[in-house]
Parts: sequence; structure tokens; C-alpha cells
Amino acid sequence: GENVEQHPSTLSVQEGDSAVIKCTYSDSASNYFPWYKQELGKRPQLIIDIRSNVGEKKDQRIAVTLNKTAKHFSLHITETQPEDSAVYFCAASMQSGLTFGGGTRLMVKP
Amino acid sequence: DAGVIQSPRHEVTEMGQEVTLRCKPISGHDYLFWYRQTMMRGLELLIYFNNNVPIDDSGMPEDRFSAKMPNASFSTLKIQPSEPRDSAVYFCASSFSPFYGYTFGSGTRLTVV
Repeated sequence: GENVEQHPSTLSVQEGDSAVIKCTYSDSASNYFPWYKQELGKRPQLIIDIRSNVGEKKDQRIAVTLNKTAKHFSLHITETQPEDSAVYFCAASMQSGLTFGGGTRLMVKP
Repeated sequence: DAGVIQSPRHEVTEMGQEVTLRCKPISGHDYLFWYRQTMMRGLELLIYFNNNVPIDDSGMPEDRFSAKMPNASFSTLKIQPSEPRDSAVYFCASSFSPFYGYTFGSGTRLTVV
């Protein structure tokens, strides 16, 4: 069935280092790939998204890359800061809307 | 716009009781989604509406769950009777399209004891 796999489930980095989260999806018709950040006890919030006609998109310290052939996409955070600590979810558009990955808990150590 | 508004923020109820969760989407968003979030299963889509009409309810776990959208500015998710395994955070989200960024509400944390 429709599926989005996300790795790793937890990620710990030192402040200032980079963090990379990867997702794969099953539906080759998917054409929209958003990323959400969820801080503890709060709602998921959209931080960046990419459509299938673009291979890469960047917004300050955050970038997303997409490989449609391989059906995977990644979130890159550079110069991580303690306030980047949160759970990050990838998602892919599928027949019934967005399907979310299982989430990655990112911990940035000061 | 105040964003997607959900109520209540927290609900504690006894097993067997009826629970009603409420959602007001962003004005102009034609799509409304109900998600359930748990540690074990992550974010699960329960049901979504387009122009107040339920489009896909395949994620609704059991007949105990029902959802309605009587008008463009209000939706409810009802659980009757509630069970301890229904304990979770329930999010409502709205969007212009199923293939566009969703805006989530603050969620309702449901605890069934």
C-alpha cells in the first residue's frame, strides 16, 4: 500500500553540525513533498516543501533534495542550533492526500 | 486569520463515555483532515472532507468513530463509546488542496481511563 519510510528515528548532533533526515516513498505518482517540525506538545508546522519538478530547494539553513527516480527525498539542516531540537516529519502526496513518515527526533546538544 | 481552531485542548473521560472533538478550519480552505497521533503509530489520517463532503474515511478505525462537517466552518469527530486505546492526540488540519501544505490545529489530547 501507500507508504513513506523515514530514517533515522532519532538523531543526536552537536550544535553547529549538520543533520540529514531521509525518506522514501512508494507511489511514483507522488508530486508534493512537505516537511513538518513538531516541538514537544505543539502542532506540526510546515517548514519547507518541494514539488516534483524541482530537484532541490533551500531556505536559509534548511534544504530539501528530491530524487524522483529513486523515490527518495531528504531534509538537510546546517549549523544546527538547540532550537532545532524537535520531531521532524516528512510527507508525500498520495491518493488520499498526504501520507506521513514515522518521524525523526532530532536532538541538538549545546 | 486565527488558524485552525480545535476544542477542547484536553479531554479526560471514562471508558464507555461519548467524546466529541471540534474543529474550525481556516476560512477558504476547502479540505479538512482529521489525524490521530500516537507514539506507536505516528500520524494517521482518519478521514478527510472536501467542501463538507467526506471523501475518504478508510482510516477510521472502527464504527465507534464518526465525523461530520455540517458547514464549511465546523467539523466534529465523535467517539462512542470511548475505550482506553483511543487515548491519543487528535489533530485537525485544513488546506486548499490535498496536495498542498496543511495547517494543523493545536490538537486535542484525549485520555480515556
